[in-house]
Amino acid sequence: GENVEQHPSTLSVQEGDSAVIKCTYSDSASNYFPWYKQELGKGPQLIIDIRSNVGEKKDQRIAVTLNKTAKHFSLHITETQPEDSAVYFCAASKPRDTGRRALTFGSGTRLQVQP
Amino acid sequence: GAVVSQHPSRVICKSGTSVKIECRSLDFQATTMFWYRQFPKQSLMLMATSNEGSKATYEQGVEKDKFLINHASLTLSTLTVTSAHPEDSSFYICSASIRQGAGFIQYFGAGTRLSVL
Repeated sequence: GENVEQHPSTLSVQEGDSAVIKCTYSDSASNYFPWYKQELGKGPQLIIDIRSNVGEKKDQRIAVTLNKTAKHFSLHITETQPEDSAVYFCAASKPRDTGRRALTFGSGTRLQVQP
Repeated sequence: GAVVSQHPSRVICKSGTSVKIECRSLDFQATTMFWYRQFPKQSLMLMATSNEGSKATYEQGVEKDKFLINHASLTLSTLTVTSAHPEDSSFYICSASIRQGAGFIQYFGAGTRLSVL
């Protein structure tokens, strides 16, 4: 099955700096790659996603890049703020029956933004 | 984004009792919902895929008689932890799949923290 590896496991940056989290996946059939932010004691919140027909997607301070050949994708957060501190998970899924796609998650990155 | 409501947010029960967790899609119909389990400082592990009107599909190693899933309508799926034991203590999270454009997106509930004494 699919295997998603994520690193680093922890990341500490100064407020205003950029943060980059990287993930690799094993199954070349995967075509959907979301990123989730999880705050302590809460469920994951979708922050951005990308499909395999594009190489980059940006939403304000957040961007995701995808390299299908190398099977890796990255999350970029610019101008980090203390409220960006959380655990970030990457995930991957591949086509299945309509709507019935389960996500395979990475191990998570704990981001801490120092004020 | 779409809203998925999960209830209760926290439950403490005695060993041997059963606990039911509800997952509702509030503003959309979800033909598929998913149940995940998360241990402290770990990632989400898929337990089962719940399809409206049919039996759930369980992941390898997940006991279907232990974790009963019912998806009776397009907006409600329930997970019942039967005869709970301390090792069942965990954070349980549901998600619902909604069509968006050419694909589907999963939105998550806020999770349920189960503590079995």
